Amino acid sequence: ETGVTQTPRHLVMGMTNKKSLKCEQHLGHNAMYWYKQSAKKPLELMFVYSLEERVENNSVPSRFSPECPNSSHLFLHLHTLQPEDSALYLCASSQDGQSGANVLTFGAGSRLTVL
Amino acid sequence: GQNIDQPTEMTATEGAIVQINCTYQTSGFNGLFWYQQHAGEAPTFLSYNVLDGLEEKGRFSSFLSRSKGYSYLLLKELQMKDSASYLCAVKDSNYQLIWGAGTKLIIKP
Repeated sequence: ETGVTQTPRHLVMGMTNKKSLKCEQHLGHNAMYWYKQSAKKPLELMFVYSLEERVENNSVPSRFSPECPNSSHLFLHLHTLQPEDSALYLCASSQDGQSGANVLTFGAGSRLTVL
Repeated sequence: GQNIDQPTEMTATEGAIVQINCTYQTSGFNGLFWYQQHAGEAPTFLSYNVLDGLEEKGRFSSFLSRSKGYSYLLLKELQMKDSASYLCAVKDSNYQLIWGAGTKLIIKP
């Protein structure tokens, strides 16, 4: 496989469930990102990992917990979510972190619905 | 605060030309990006502008005026497959990406 792969593509969960989103990149990039995309709103950056270390956490609620075990894999662990957390969660990767003209390569996203 | 403005939705006819505008107010500027996102798919990179002027890439061109805080994406010879959302994003002085809400482009036969 090439590019950025996200699983599952669709997820429905209750507010008391625990689930995880998975992202895998086959591009040799050294930075990975989680974004939240809600209808008619700008992309919201949630977490950034550069060289497997978290470099940014934009005041995301603790019910979202990221994990980056190596430079190719990124997880987003979910627990006790709220209905307003329903959205498309996009994973992205890039070379050379956030500086310069580095281009983000996105996955197709995981569509999350919280009941 | 930092802000990116772009129209919510535009409609154009197959074979025609359409211009999608993006205006920005950011703390510093380190480049402007355009991404295309088809429904249910990943956003994909279209263009990057850091200097003033027009960058042409096939049927797509992107223009930047830093003094006016303004960019546009020009799509020529529109095809049905160009129906998608177009996202404008600016890198600020801290190299943080500030995103617009996207413009949904509808192409009619």
